[in-house]
Order: sequence, then structure tokens, then C-alpha cells
Amino acid sequence: SYELTQPLSVSVALGQTARITCGGNNIGSKNVHWYQQKPGQAPVLVIYRDSNRPSGIPERFSGSNSGNTATLTISRAQAGDEADYYCQVWDSSTHVFGTGTKVTVL
Amino acid sequence: QVQLVQSGAEVKKPGASVKVSCKASGYTFTSYDINWVRQATGQGLEWMGWMNPNSGNTGYAQKFQGRVTMTRNTSISTAYMELSSLRSEDTAVYYCARGGIAAAGLDYWGQGTLVTVSS
Repeated sequence: SYELTQPLSVSVALGQTARITCGGNNIGSKNVHWYQQKPGQAPVLVIYRDSNRPSGIPERFSGSNSGNTATLTISRAQAGDEADYYCQVWDSSTHVFGTGTKVTVL
Repeated sequence: QVQLVQSGAEVKKPGASVKVSCKASGYTFTSYDINWVRQATGQGLEWMGWMNPNSGNTGYAQKFQGRVTMTRNTSISTAYMELSSLRSEDTAVYYCARGGIAAAGLDYWGQGTLVTVSS
């Protein structure tokens, strides 16, 4: 089965840039989606199809995907960006989620 | 506005079944797939399966095949997920999520339903 690997945690200083990676075999050939989940809340879609932002998601959130790695970038990080982030792809008729990354804003 | 409202928390004994509902509003229910995702405490997201509310067609993750059933009632725009032969490892928050058009991710989520399996 297809696997997506994310770092367990990422720390970023307030106002700086955080990059969260999602590794998978030839992930560049797939559509990657990213979700933000704050404690006690349902996940929220922040990036779909590699680099598209749903309405209401700040421009500070961006995404890229190439080769074996997809990346979610959070620019000018704010305290409100502290959350768990999950990548996700569709593979072999299955939605596959990444292992999740906890982002801490210092 | 699009909303998915789920049924309330459940406590079940091992071996029992649970049925969680997900009522959709703010869009045409039959135009978007409904997915079910669960999350054990402190763990990641785990996809369980999808259902096409128009046709009733379903697709289940291999792990849940034979134990999960996804259905719908289009007259009340409600999707259901039933999980049988419950065990303690099934204790989790269960979410329904709408599948976006043209591979656009899971764009709206329900608030989640806590299912606790305990003797």
C-alpha cells in the first residue's frame, strides 16, 4: 500500500516561514491535498491539488509537489497556525493520509 | 453554507455495532461523495471509505471490508456509517467529509462523533 511520510514536528519562529514535507514514491504524479487540524476540531482543507487554496484560506499558505516530495509552506507564521498538518493523496482507489506534522510557533 | 452535522457520541460494548449519521445541507447532497475518516485519541487520520449518494456505490478501505457499511437516505440528505463487531481499538472520533469535485480533496467535514467501545 502507498505510504506518505511526514516529519513528526516542525518549529517556526513567529513571522518566519515553515515548510512541511510529505514524502511518497513518485508523489509528484499525484494530486496532493493538505489539511490543518487544531486540537478538538475537525480537519480543514488548506491546499488542494498541490497548490490551490480554498476560499478563505490565507495566501500565506502555499504548496508544491515534485518528484518524491510535496511541500506545504506557511509564510509569516502566526500563533494561530499552530496545529497538526496532514497531507493526503488518492491511490489505488484509496484516500491515503500522511503521518501528520505538529507545527509549533515559537 | 455547506454543513455536515453528525449524530452524538456513542458508548458501545465490544461486539456491538454503531451507526453514525451525517446530515448534509447547503448543497445538492447527491452531487458529492461522502467519505468517512476516523481518528483515535492522539493518533492520525485514517480513511475508512466513500459513498456516492446518487448511486449508492461504495468503496471501503481493505482494513474495514466486511465490517463497515455506508448507506444514505437521499430524502433527508443524510449519510450513514455502520461499523460492526466493535472492539476497543475502534474507540475514536469518526468524521464524515465531503469529497470535492474533480479531485479537490475533502472540502467540508462534519464536527465528528466520538465512539467509545468499552465493557
